[in-house]
Amino acid sequence: AQSVTQLDSQVPVFEEAPVELRCNYSSSVSVYLFWYVQYPNQGLQLLLKYLSGSTLVKGINGFEAEFNKSQTSFHLRKPSVHISDTAEYFCAVTKTSYDKVIFGPGTSLSVIP
Amino acid sequence: ETGVTQSPTHLIKTRGQQVTLRCSSQSGHNTVSWYQQALGQGPQFIFQYYREEENGRGNFPPRFSGLQFPNYSSELNVNALELDDSALYLCASASGGGTEAFFGQGTRLTVV
Repeated sequence: AQSVTQLDSQVPVFEEAPVELRCNYSSSVSVYLFWYVQYPNQGLQLLLKYLSGSTLVKGINGFEAEFNKSQTSFHLRKPSVHISDTAEYFCAVTKTSYDKVIFGPGTSLSVIP
Repeated sequence: ETGVTQSPTHLIKTRGQQVTLRCSSQSGHNTVSWYQQALGQGPQFIFQYYREEENGRGNFPPRFSGLQFPNYSSELNVNALELDDSALYLCASASGGGTEAFFGQGTRLTVV
């Protein structure tokens, strides 16, 4: 079975500062990894995904994530955050494109002006 | 744009009632999954349907049931509603040839 841990439930950061949201996963098989963003009162939007190949993945809105197999991590980073990045961020894992998705508990990113 | 649509967007029900939520999957997708997202939590897998058959179930009681139709659209039914059923319900569709599931915007259910 797979599981996902997001170590920080809340991350406050000043505008234009860099941010890293941490994600660790557990799985006995190869997995696909995802980061989703959820704005207040909205559904999930895919930020980026790792399927295979290059361990550095670039997504939308200037976000990127690095897959580290030895540390079973998939941390999300952005070099300079904007007020509009304030949202809930979910790390997720699945075995295949059509298998159930296992989500972490989420990290609430608050960007301070 | 995902192409997965859910209805209704918001719903208020009374404890003990029954509710049906609907999901129209993205064109060409034959797998539909449902998730429950309680306030302040990550989405939790309820069940999945593949070609009209249930194909996996999470830790939810039998009063959560579903259907998938020949056009691959789907329904989630919840009987005997409880206050803790208040949540955002998300539908996702996928196909074997794709790389990820696509999520709808969800139905916000409030049980009073």
